Amino acid sequence: DIVLTQSPDSLAVSLGERATINCKSSQSVLFTSNPKNFLAWYQQKPGQPPKLLIYWASTRQSGVPDRFTGSGSGTDFTLTISSLQAEDVAVYYCQQYYATPLTFGGGTKVEIK
Amino acid sequence: QVQLVQSGAEVKQPGSSVKVSCTASGVTFSSYAFNWVRQAPGQGLEWMGGYIPMYGMIDFTEKFQGRVTITTDETTSTAHMELSSLRYEDTAVYYCARVPQYYNAENKIHFMYGMDVWGQGTTVTVSS
Repeated sequence: DIVLTQSPDSLAVSLGERATINCKSSQSVLFTSNPKNFLAWYQQKPGQPPKLLIYWASTRQSGVPDRFTGSGSGTDFTLTISSLQAEDVAVYYCQQYYATPLTFGGGTKVEIK
Repeated sequence: QVQLVQSGAEVKQPGSSVKVSCTASGVTFSSYAFNWVRQAPGQGLEWMGGYIPMYGMIDFTEKFQGRVTITTDETTSTAHMELSSLRYEDTAVYYCARVPQYYNAENKIHFMYGMDVWGQGTTVTVSS
């Protein structure tokens, strides 16, 4: 199974500042024949289901603000919130869809400092 | 507007079974793949498995093999996920989620997208 390790487990950022979340995969999720990275990012607020933010590692889902940026390739990925807003307080998960079983990272909790 | 609406909360005894329903509206049910994801209290997300109505294909993690059954009713665009032999550690919120793109290669599901529409979640509590 592909293991996704997120870091940090939590972070506190001031409003308007940058938040950076890392996701490391135990094996490459780059499908060389397309070539695309089979990795997604989700945001989950308390009491709500996850919301898809990013797919193909860097493509923003429709309606997602452009302060959310996904980057990386192969085994190392990053989700950046360029200017943290109060409504961005949530837990963020990466997920690979390169192979089943699909797996998620352990989550990163983002709070306001 | 695409929506997935799940059945209500359940309280079950250990050893029993639970059936969670997921009804799709605003979407052609058979055109997409649907995943089941669960989240234990205070924990992260765990993929249980996926189902493709068009092919009647199911792919579940080894952990749930033999304990999970998927049935569908195409007339109501509803998928039912039944989990048997319930244990205390099955206490969780269960979500269904749509994957809009996939392909079938050699009878294996390959997902080509993240999970873009989610149900509201169904809380299953296993308690004696």
